[in-house]
Amino acid sequence: GQQLNQSPQSMFIQEGEDVSMNCTSSSIFNTWLWYKQDPGEGPVLLIALYKAGELTSNGRLTAQFGITRKDSFLNISASIPSDVGIYFCAGQLGDNAGNMLTFGGGTRLMVKP
Amino acid sequence: KAGVTQTPRYLIKTRGQQVTLSCSPISGHRSVSWYQQTPGQGLQFLFEYFSETQRNKGNFPGRFSGRQFSNSRSEMNVSTLELGDSALYLCASSLGWGGQPQHFGDGTRLSIL
Repeated sequence: GQQLNQSPQSMFIQEGEDVSMNCTSSSIFNTWLWYKQDPGEGPVLLIALYKAGELTSNGRLTAQFGITRKDSFLNISASIPSDVGIYFCAGQLGDNAGNMLTFGGGTRLMVKP
Repeated sequence: KAGVTQTPRYLIKTRGQQVTLSCSPISGHRSVSWYQQTPGQGLQFLFEYFSETQRNKGNFPGRFSGRQFSNSRSEMNVSTLELGDSALYLCASSLGWGGQPQHFGDGTRLSIL
C-alpha cells in the first residue's frame, strides 16, 4: 500500500540540541499530522496541519505542511529527556476517504542528558 | 475528559483461535478506526466505522472484521489466528467523518503462541 518516507529512522542527540525530521510522499495529502508514541502507549497527537504552506507551533515543536502537499517536517527545539520516544508523521486525504491515516515508518529519538 | 479506552490490554491466544477486541471512543466521537502495529510493517490501517457502517477497509484478509454499535463503541474480531497476527492493535476515534484528527487508545497487545 501507500507509504510515507520518514527520515531519519533514529537520532541520538545531546540534551538542549534542536531536532529536525521530515516526511515525504509520492502522493498528495490534504492533512498532515505528527504523533509521538512512548513505550507501552498509543500515539499521541502533537500537531495537525490543514493547509499547504501552513506553519504551526505547539510549545517547542514546530511543523510545516509542504507547499507541494507531498511533504512535512517537524522541528523540536532545545530537546529535553522527556522528548525521548518515536515520532510518526501521518497523511490524511479526508473527504470521502474519511479519517484514515497513512503513517511513516517513525523516527526514534534518543536524548543524552 | 476520558480518552479512547481499549480492552483488554494484553491477550495471549493460540493459532486457530479467534479473538475479539473492544474500543470505547472519546465521548461524542462518532468515528472509530483500527490499526495494526508491528515492528516489520509499522502502523497499518485496518478499517474505519462511522454511524455503525464500515466506511473504509485496509488491505487485510477477511479474517479481520469489525463492527460499531449505536453508542459508537466498536469491536474488532480476528478469526483463525495465525502467528503473524501477533501485534499491537490500536483503536482511534474522531469527532466526525472526513478530515478529522484521530486520537488513539493505548492498544491491545495480542500474542499468538
